[in-house]
Formats: sequence, C-alpha cells, structure tokens
Amino acid sequence: SQTIHQWPATLVQPVGSPLSLECTVEGTSNPNLYWYRQAAGRGLQLLFYSVGIGQISSEVPQNLSASRPQDRQFILSSKKLLLSDSGFYLCAWISGRVGEQFFGPGTRLTVL
Amino acid sequence: AQSVTQLDSHVSVSEGTPVLLRCNYSSSYSPSLFWYVQHPNKGLQLLLKYTSAATLVKGINGFEAEFKKIETSFHLTKPSAHMSDAAEYFCVVIRDDKIIFGKGTRLHILP
Repeated sequence: SQTIHQWPATLVQPVGSPLSLECTVEGTSNPNLYWYRQAAGRGLQLLFYSVGIGQISSEVPQNLSASRPQDRQFILSSKKLLLSDSGFYLCAWISGRVGEQFFGPGTRLTVL
Repeated sequence: AQSVTQLDSHVSVSEGTPVLLRCNYSSSYSPSLFWYVQHPNKGLQLLLKYTSAATLVKGINGFEAEFKKIETSFHLTKPSAHMSDAAEYFCVVIRDDKIIFGKGTRLHILP
C-alpha cells in the first residue's frame, strides 16, 4: 500500500539555525513529489515539486531549498532559518491515477 | 490554466443547520476537483473528489458537492452541521500535475 512519511512531526528552531525536513514514500515508484507550506491564517502554498531524482522546481523565491537524492525521498532544507519560515509543512505526491493524492502528516515548524 | 477560488474565508453556522462552503474554479477543460478538511493541528483529510463521473459527489461525514459546469462551481454542502465539523476546508484542483489549493474556508459551528 502507498504511504508517505514525514519527520519530525514538530520542530522548534532558533533563527539562523539550519533546517532539514525529510519526506519518504512507500508503495510507488517515480512519484511526483511536492512540498507545501501553510503559514498561520493562510492557505497552502506550493514551495517545490519534483518529477524525478535531482529534478527540482521552485514555485516561489524564498529562504528554502529542496533536494531529491533518491526516487522516494524528498528533503526540504534551509541554511539559516528566518522567523517567517514558521509554519506547517506538508509533503505530498500524486499517483498516475487521476484523483489519487497522498499527503504526509505534516511538520509544524516554529522559529524563535 | 486552472485555479480555484474559495469565496468565503470564514463561515459560521449553528449546530443542526445546513452548511454551504463555496468554491469556483477556472478551467479550459474538465478539471479534477477535491475538497479536503483540516482539523486544528492535524493533517489533511480527503472529503470527496470529482473526476468527471457523476456530478453530485458524496463524501465522508455527510458532506457532498455538486459539480456545475456552467456556473464553474463545486460548492460543498452538508444538511446538518455538527460541532465536530469545525475545521478549515480546502477546495483543490489539479493543474499541470500540481495540486493547487484554494485559500481555505474556516467553518465555525455555533452551539
């Protein structure tokens, strides 16, 4: 069965510290993977998506970067966190079948 | 290009009364449309989806939505609200293999 994992579930980091959030999927191969952020009181914004290993597209300029080192692994990173990076981060993927989307449980990041 | 517009950022209804959460989409062809719910401090849960089969789609927890092509709408409804329905609701469309979210509607249930 297809599942998607994200960790950690919650994270509190000081301003200026680095960040690494990991997302892995099971039960599929060559998925399209996505990182979304939900800031307080706002909707879900697409940050990055990847159609394959090493292929990353950025939707909005920001303090974050993404990498896809393996087919089923998608990593969100930052060298120096800003206060505005606080939010709820969701990893997602779409299967080949129309209508099948899977979301991870999310990571709540608080930057102090 | 496809996008979705959720017309209300907040909706308040009394418990036991009907719920209507509005969503309009823009598309040049038949879209795939979804409604998701997010309870406080929780992840996303799929309520229902439309993928060009029946225009009236029934979802979980008594929710349903009707795809109306002429009006380009996909409004979410429920006949009788329950306190547990208090959450944020997202209308979603797939565009160019990307999941595009509406800005969300926060549903408040009044006792």
